[in-house]
Amino acid sequence: EPEVTQTPSHQVTQMGQEVILRCVPISNHLYFYWYRQILGQKVEFLVSFYNNEISEKSEIFDDQFSVERPDGSNFTLKIRSTKLEDSAMYFCASTYDGSNQPQHFGDGTRLSIL
Amino acid sequence: AQSVTQPDIHITVSEGASLELRCNYSYGATPYLFWYVQSPGQGLQLLLKYFSGDTLVQGIKGFEAEFKRSQSSFNLRKPSVHWSDAAEYFCAVGGYQKVTFGIGTKLQVIP
Repeated sequence: EPEVTQTPSHQVTQMGQEVILRCVPISNHLYFYWYRQILGQKVEFLVSFYNNEISEKSEIFDDQFSVERPDGSNFTLKIRSTKLEDSAMYFCASTYDGSNQPQHFGDGTRLSIL
Repeated sequence: AQSVTQPDIHITVSEGASLELRCNYSYGATPYLFWYVQSPGQGLQLLLKYFSGDTLVQGIKGFEAEFKRSQSSFNLRKPSVHWSDAAEYFCAVGGYQKVTFGIGTKLQVIP
């Protein structure tokens, strides 16, 4: 079964540095998402992306965050000037048509900010 | 606004016993409901989903869930729990644009 893949599985970064988390959605999917799970807390929606633009974002997704689909296969989340509170598990997800089909999640990238 | 409540943060059951994990939701229209499972350090695996039709839905690994509109509930059940079911279970609502998750129920299975 096709999978969403995320790299790296674990990223350690110094506070204030920029980090890029990478995702390869399922190949025929058109809608892409990022979620965040702070340790011990629930999974929270960050942003959805369709047709090369953001379609919805949460209040968490402030100016330090950006997303991009740089080519036909990758979907990236960039965090500029990371803060300690950005430490979390970040999940990428994708769906084919966004019409309430279940989102397929990757295994996540654990981001640790030192 | 859509929301999900999972009232049980932690549940312990004996292997072979039955299981029910509770989920209540709030959604402005017909809900799209999901249960995901997360093993430690792993991603989110879809167990089952409800969009419409039969209110009792079957999922993978022997799980089922029943949608009860009158109670705004979507409880997850399994008749006989296996040690490998120990994990965290998330109920979720929505689908288009975003999914809203509950806080999760951590399931411990004892021999």
